[in-house]
Amino acid sequence: NAGVTQTPKFQVLKTGQSMTLQCAQDMNHNSMYWYRQDPGMGLRLIYYSASEGTTDKGEVPNGYNVSRLNKREFSLRLESAAPSQTSVYFCASSEAGGATYEQYFGPGTRLTVT
Amino acid sequence: SQQGEEDPQALSIQEGENATMNCSYKTSINNLQWYRQNSGRGLVHLILIRSNEREKHSGRLRVTLDTSKKSSSLLITASRAADTASYFCATGYSGGGADGLTFGKGTHLIIQP
Repeated sequence: NAGVTQTPKFQVLKTGQSMTLQCAQDMNHNSMYWYRQDPGMGLRLIYYSASEGTTDKGEVPNGYNVSRLNKREFSLRLESAAPSQTSVYFCASSEAGGATYEQYFGPGTRLTVT
Repeated sequence: SQQGEEDPQALSIQEGENATMNCSYKTSINNLQWYRQNSGRGLVHLILIRSNEREKHSGRLRVTLDTSKKSSSLLITASRAADTASYFCATGYSGGGADGLTFGKGTHLIIQP
């Protein structure tokens, strides 16, 4: 089992460019998440998906879009990158939502926007 | 906004000593989780404690929960160099329809050999 995989591992963008971060899990989990982590901070929830075709905004959704393509995959898109989006992005999955189930995290994507 | 706040922000101890870190949170919870993050890596789940539990053990880890004080503590006994990492507490995120976790800023633990 690969668990949760994310691509790419590193990315540098210029302001205004767009990109999609990919995430996939092979644990047959229903719930998937995107978080961002800024230096010295905990993770903040960007978007959540309870199942294929459903998504909900988290704490910091502005500037992002997501797509739950199928049960395995959950992508995060930056349409017009801004320096404030420089961060490390983590995808996670769990059996179901909330704090009832442990979440499994991917290795992260380190994004720099110049 | 972050629900949990860990204390201390940083902790440095000698190998073999015990490490204690604390978490305070603001609103009522059903469960609280602790995660570890090694430098440059994703988070790894350590332990989940339910609101009706006061203490839980897992190997060298002991977690306590005091819902009246809205606080939790994580104790790592007989620390090892490999325990060097950041430790985060997490509670359920309550906002809109999203159903994720909200994390504190973490305690950075350094184990000196």
